[in-house]
Amino acid sequence: AQRVTQPEKLLSVFKGAPVELKCNYSYSGSPELFWYVQYSRQRLQLLLRHISRESIKGFTADLNKGETSFHLKKPFAQEEDSAMYYCALSANNAGNMLTFGGGTRLMVKP
Amino acid sequence: DGGITQSPKYLFRKEGQNVTLSCEQNLNHDAMYWYRQDPGQGLRLIYYSQIVNDFQKGDIAEGYSVSREKKESFPLTVTSAQKNPTAFYLCASSPRGPYGYTFGSGTRLTVV
Repeated sequence: AQRVTQPEKLLSVFKGAPVELKCNYSYSGSPELFWYVQYSRQRLQLLLRHISRESIKGFTADLNKGETSFHLKKPFAQEEDSAMYYCALSANNAGNMLTFGGGTRLMVKP
Repeated sequence: DGGITQSPKYLFRKEGQNVTLSCEQNLNHDAMYWYRQDPGQGLRLIYYSQIVNDFQKGDIAEGYSVSREKKESFPLTVTSAQKNPTAFYLCASSPRGPYGYTFGSGTRLTVV
């Protein structure tokens, strides 16, 4: 069975500092990986997908199959980035069903 | 507002009662899902449905039941057998393919 691990429950950085939210997964097949974000009082929403190779709100994430990781990075954090971030994996034998990590709360201090 | 609606936003249940949480989507998505969100535990899958009239248990299905009689609707019933039902419940839907989910705004259930 697949598993997603986000080792940090809380990450606190100062505005303008680089930020990296870690995500590791275990899955023997070829996964599809996602990052979701939940801002205060808002619904959970898709931030980015690894297959799109996109940068959203300055965030990027690269799939490293050798290290089985999909870390989320941003070079200069902004206060509005403060939110809960979830990494999720879709196994190719499970339709579209997502397995989520435990989440990391990012706090960007002024 | 997002195409997927959960109601009610807040729900209070007495011990021993069954309650039903509503989830409706107008996105024409085939698949729908119910997750439970607890602090520090992320999202855990309760039930999912890939097609009308079919659904599968997730990781924590005990004490819950669902139905999928229409493509647009996927209600979740929290039965009295669920030992710790106080939580935040999220419904989601997805189209075919690796496009990720669209989430509802959630229902917070509290047992009083």
